[in-house]
Amino acid sequence: ETGVTQTPRHLVMGMTNKKSLKCEQHLGHNAMYWYKQSAKKPLELMFVYSLEERVENNSVPSRFSPECPNSSHLFLHLHTLQPEDSALYLCASSQLGQGLDGYTFGSGTRLTVV
Amino acid sequence: QKEVEQDPGPLSVPEGAIVSLNCTYSNSAFQYFMWYRQYSRKGPELLMYTYSSGNKEDGRFTAQVDKSSKYISLFIRDSQPSDSATYLCAMSGYGNKLVFGAGTILRVKS
Repeated sequence: ETGVTQTPRHLVMGMTNKKSLKCEQHLGHNAMYWYKQSAKKPLELMFVYSLEERVENNSVPSRFSPECPNSSHLFLHLHTLQPEDSALYLCASSQLGQGLDGYTFGSGTRLTVV
Repeated sequence: QKEVEQDPGPLSVPEGAIVSLNCTYSNSAFQYFMWYRQYSRKGPELLMYTYSSGNKEDGRFTAQVDKSSKYISLFIRDSQPSDSATYLCAMSGYGNKLVFGAGTILRVKS
């Protein structure tokens, strides 16, 4: 496996369900991110983890709960979501402190809340 | 005012055309400028990046930054159907997180 891997690729869940999104990076990066992508809107940064510590939480509702057990893995736990939470959820990683190499994104999880 | 403005399109062009994609921004602290390409059902991938003002060329792609006008562009020469994708601009200040535009949908018709 190379790059950034996200699972599942697609997820349909009811508003009362609990599910988790998983992200794994194989690049040795020290920062990981969760983004939400909705149609015709800029990528919305949700959470940033640097060296396994959450360094940013952009006023995300508590029904989204991130977890970063180590520098290679990132989870997004979901519970009691709303239909407006339906979107593409992207995970990314980067190497902080070594110039600007950009972010490497996974292919995303397409979430539909019914 | 949004930090980064980008026309979502879609932009439709015939094969072989020169494509111009643009973003404007408001934060004068931005130093790093990037373009990402996102194919359908995929995540964005880094296409080009530049530091400060000037041009950068890579094959059929040219990135331009005009910091005095707070305006960046991506030109695609001899566009191909395989260039059909969403193009996102992104930028940041030194050591800061990236700020993305909304993305422009490009369709190149054969």
